[in-house]
Amino acid sequence: RKEVEQDPGPFNVPEGATVAFNCTYSNSASQSFFWYRQDCRKEPKLLMSVYSSGNEDGRFTAQLNRASQYISLLIRDSKLSDSATYLCVCPLISSGSARQLTFGSGTQLTVLP
Amino acid sequence: DGGITQSPKYLFRKEGQNVTLSCEQNLNHDAMYWYRQDPGQGLRLIYYSQIVNDFQKGDIAEGYSVSREKKESFPLTVTSAQKNPTAFYLCASSPLQGALDTEAFFGQGTRLTVV
Repeated sequence: RKEVEQDPGPFNVPEGATVAFNCTYSNSASQSFFWYRQDCRKEPKLLMSVYSSGNEDGRFTAQLNRASQYISLLIRDSKLSDSATYLCVCPLISSGSARQLTFGSGTQLTVLP
Repeated sequence: DGGITQSPKYLFRKEGQNVTLSCEQNLNHDAMYWYRQDPGQGLRLIYYSQIVNDFQKGDIAEGYSVSREKKESFPLTVTSAQKNPTAFYLCASSPLQGALDTEAFFGQGTRLTVV
């Protein structure tokens, strides 16, 4: 099993729709999680951090379910500008307490007019 | 302005040549990371480092080497042993704050093409 797995996508939704992505992780010791947005041929940029049960920022809501080991990202009232690839990130503690940031493979979202 | 800088943005390499990608940050971050991204794929970890003069292999370290002689710098060398080096390379850094993980900040990436 991969350490971080995301919905395969792609998701094609009309403007104004609500869309949700899930991401499962295997390391139960992870304390915090992140959602990044990546536009085509650009670097990923932080969208939201999730340190406890959830986080909300405008149209975006991230939730964490520790019992089932997954995080979700909900986008309400989708805009054309939301079209991008969304990556979830789970920091892992490897040997010697070194932390590595493991990314999911990403979920592609296209918002259609 | 604080940030993380990768250079060059585009790089062309002949087969059999080593090439070094630069990554510099002035954010005073302890941790630095190198990722590789292939078209339509996620990010795969090559190497990471938490302190000067120490680094660990990621999932796909074969054919790559790194150094961390200064806190600000984490160059990646793509060696001739890397059989399929054409990809988008991303460098990232993050602070370490005890047990709480913080987000990573990325450079703009280097697009390497073997010709």
